[in-house]
Amino acid sequence: EAQVTQNPRYLITVTGKKLTVTCSQNMNHEYMSWYRQDPGLGLRQIYYSMNVEVTDKGDVPEGYKVSRKEKRNFPLILESPSPNQTSLYFCASSPPSGADTQYFGPGTRLTVL
Amino acid sequence: AQSVSQHNHHVILSEAASLELGCNYSYGGTVNLFWYVQYPGQHLQLLLKYFSGDPLVKGIKGFEAEFIKSKFSFNLRKPSVQWSDTAEYFCAVNGQGSSASKIIFGSGTRLSIRP
Repeated sequence: EAQVTQNPRYLITVTGKKLTVTCSQNMNHEYMSWYRQDPGLGLRQIYYSMNVEVTDKGDVPEGYKVSRKEKRNFPLILESPSPNQTSLYFCASSPPSGADTQYFGPGTRLTVL
Repeated sequence: AQSVSQHNHHVILSEAASLELGCNYSYGGTVNLFWYVQYPGQHLQLLLKYFSGDPLVKGIKGFEAEFIKSKFSFNLRKPSVQWSDTAEYFCAVNGQGSSASKIIFGSGTRLSIRP
């Protein structure tokens, strides 16, 4: 089944404790992206990657890092999480440069205390 | 600045009522437009998209949207809603060519359908 998976689905952590949210897709998509969803703000793009070893900032990249060493994986790293990063995070992938339909993962609900 | 505005934050309708959700965008150049839906507890999925051609596009589950270039709008419509349409709806836009990779979403419209 074609899908985007994210792990963990729920995470509660404390300020400053490094964490990684994994994202994997099995559709051989070149484009992958991370979003955060906050009430009243919709989805905001954090980082995106157009292919392996090619990443770029979205609208809200501060406090986040990403890497794209393999085509299927696009982990999101929070080196020193803060409470304002408490949010619902979605990973998505798409065939070409993002111009086509995005396929979203199930989301990761992160709480930073 | 690039932006997408969805002015209706929460819409409440009765079953069989007609639906129109507004979406206006500000984005230089030629655009691609999307409507995504997020059912309660689920991830986002595509309802419909416009890249070029006929400005009236039809999507899944009886939804349609019309691209009006002069108004920078891409409103979502459905002639008769069902209780199962209860969800949050997001409008999104990206550019074509080199700016295709940056995608802007609206803040979403929550749709509640009374049975």
